Amino acid sequence: GAVVSQHPSWVICKSGTSVKIECRSLDFQATTMFWYRQFPKQSLMLMATSNEGSKATYEQGVEKDKFLINHASLTLSTLTVTSAHPEDSSFYICSAIGGGRDQPQHFGDGTRLSIL
Amino acid sequence: GQNIDQPTEMTATEGAIVQINCTYQTSGFNGLFWYQQHAGEAPTFLSYNVLDGLEEKGRFSSFLSRSKGYSYLLLKELQMKDSASYLCAVTNAGKSTFGDGTTLTVKP
Repeated sequence: GAVVSQHPSWVICKSGTSVKIECRSLDFQATTMFWYRQFPKQSLMLMATSNEGSKATYEQGVEKDKFLINHASLTLSTLTVTSAHPEDSSFYICSAIGGGRDQPQHFGDGTRLSIL
Repeated sequence: GQNIDQPTEMTATEGAIVQINCTYQTSGFNGLFWYQQHAGEAPTFLSYNVLDGLEEKGRFSSFLSRSKGYSYLLLKELQMKDSASYLCAVTNAGKSTFGDGTTLTVKP
């Protein structure tokens, strides 16, 4: 089945650091990738949608200068949390779909980000 | 806007059947997904309904009524490993909006 690899799984770093998270589709071409944020016992909150070769579409309230998304190829998207602060600590999950728009999303394993 | 409602928590006994309901009011609708998410892990796809009716996949079935804005996920022959959060997600124009999830606890 479709596999999405997300790296790293855990990040602990100091306030002010920038953190890059990678999301790769391993056995299919991802026409669209999504980035979510999830707080404990809450649902997935969509941050942005990215299509290969074009600028990401951010959801309302998500700072595009803080959360930089690059979708350089059909198999790779990256999320960079710039100048991270403790309030950015969260579980970040990427997902990808290939083919038609309403295909099931295949999720990466998530990245747990802790900013000290 | 998008509004998706699911019960917050449910408890059931191993070997039993449980039904998790999801109601939605959304500005657009292409289909409805159900995902399973174990604590600390990413969601995994369970089922997808586009048309009204029941979709069966092994121990899991999902039902959709578009006119009522209603879906349910039915889990049969519950196992301890089914303890997880179950997310209902409505998709429209390529984007999915997730409910808050239903935490299911399966007891021996």
